[in-house]
Amino acid sequence: ETGVTQTPRHLVMGMTNKKSLKCEQHLGHNAMYWYKQSAKKPLELMFVYNFKEQTENNSVPSRFSPECPNSSHLFLHLHTLQPEDSALYLCASSQEVRVASYEQYFGPGTRLTVT
Amino acid sequence: SQQGEEDPQALSIQEGENATMNCSYKTSINNLQWYRQNSGRGLVHLILIRSNEREKHSGRLRVTLDTSKKSSSLLITASRAADTASYFCATDGETSGSRLTFGEGTQLTVNP
Repeated sequence: ETGVTQTPRHLVMGMTNKKSLKCEQHLGHNAMYWYKQSAKKPLELMFVYNFKEQTENNSVPSRFSPECPNSSHLFLHLHTLQPEDSALYLCASSQEVRVASYEQYFGPGTRLTVT
Repeated sequence: SQQGEEDPQALSIQEGENATMNCSYKTSINNLQWYRQNSGRGLVHLILIRSNEREKHSGRLRVTLDTSKKSSSLLITASRAADTASYFCATDGETSGSRLTFGEGTQLTVNP
């Protein structure tokens, strides 16, 4: 256990569905991240939040909408996804965003399949 | 943009042997980290080495960093079947702030 939980662990959704991924960290960290991991590709950073404020959006399509109500919770709202969005979505947290010398703690991921 | 690239892509060894994985990157870094990922799970941080360090140890892990060659290596000694996983290096640079850039990883299989 890394102190970062993600739900659901598996999700199958149609292209017209709306769903949300949830991430919670119990580590007292101030920074949270969403990553996408597709087969045969490096981990892709999607969004970064620091003290609930979004500090980075890595040119992610608007069908992915993040929400960070507080430093412990992070959501990823999904709407009208495409089959190529099928991937493992990983949430991570770290002490803060200012520098990357802090290790990141990852959740177990949500395996998303878009049909 | 800088990117860690691991080498080899896949490595298969027998239990008890040592495993060495390499990572190369393109631009100057502040830190380099190694992570491990079991199949279908999240990444687990293994070790962080700063740009002014040359070697670091943690249990059976030994990491080296050669900034002149822009490369790092991860050595796992006396490997165990439980070490079977993917191993990733991740780098950050002076201009990347919080952004870690991950490589594609090395898939290590340790056969019992």
